[in-house]
Amino acid sequence: DAMVIQNPRYQVTQFGKPVTLSCSQTLNHNVMYWYQQKSSQAPKLLFHYYDKDFNNEADTPDNFQSRRPNTSFCFLDIRSPGLGDAAMYLCATSLPHGLNTEAFFGQGTRLTVV
Amino acid sequence: TQLLEQSPQFLSIQEGENLTVYCNSSSVFSSLQWYRQEPGEGPVLLVTVVTGGEVKKLKRLTFQFGDARKDSSLHITAAQPGDTGLYLCAGSSPAYGNKLVFGAGTILRVKS
Repeated sequence: DAMVIQNPRYQVTQFGKPVTLSCSQTLNHNVMYWYQQKSSQAPKLLFHYYDKDFNNEADTPDNFQSRRPNTSFCFLDIRSPGLGDAAMYLCATSLPHGLNTEAFFGQGTRLTVV
Repeated sequence: TQLLEQSPQFLSIQEGENLTVYCNSSSVFSSLQWYRQEPGEGPVLLVTVVTGGEVKKLKRLTFQFGDARKDSSLHITAAQPGDTGLYLCAGSSPAYGNKLVFGAGTILRVKS
């Protein structure tokens, strides 16, 4: 059974048109992460939540926002997508920091900007 | 600056050969994980190492955590085409706020 589910798997959006990617989890993990991954590169952390506490990486553009309405769901909002935002977006969950922080990933959403 | 240095970046070998991928840091990690990722999919966890000097085996894959918990290696014996993929090491360290950070990855291609 899928434990971290991302929707949609593929998303095409127009340049400058807001887009939202979604992630849900059945693991009841406290921590949820959003990563951006470009072709054959390592995932780059955008931000993460520890419960409702939001933690933004210093180099994450303001164009990227996130919401976590409850433990199970987390959303990534891209306010004005540019061509450079085309990438795979990965959601992951884990137990709290300091414990075994192995992460469980969704299948990702491939974002194309046209 | 990469918090976890992974090498080599790319490896192309023949079926049946052995290989080792390295993951190094100047900081101590609470734990290190190895993931394998196929194109168009999310990373899949292979193993977690927690104790300094720990060795774990997963079929033809052997994982080792350095004694000082600053480095790790992944050794594959008799590689097969199905091992092809992107291998990522990742870990959490008090030096980096205990967030999960990734190495740059190693692209492995095993030719038949």
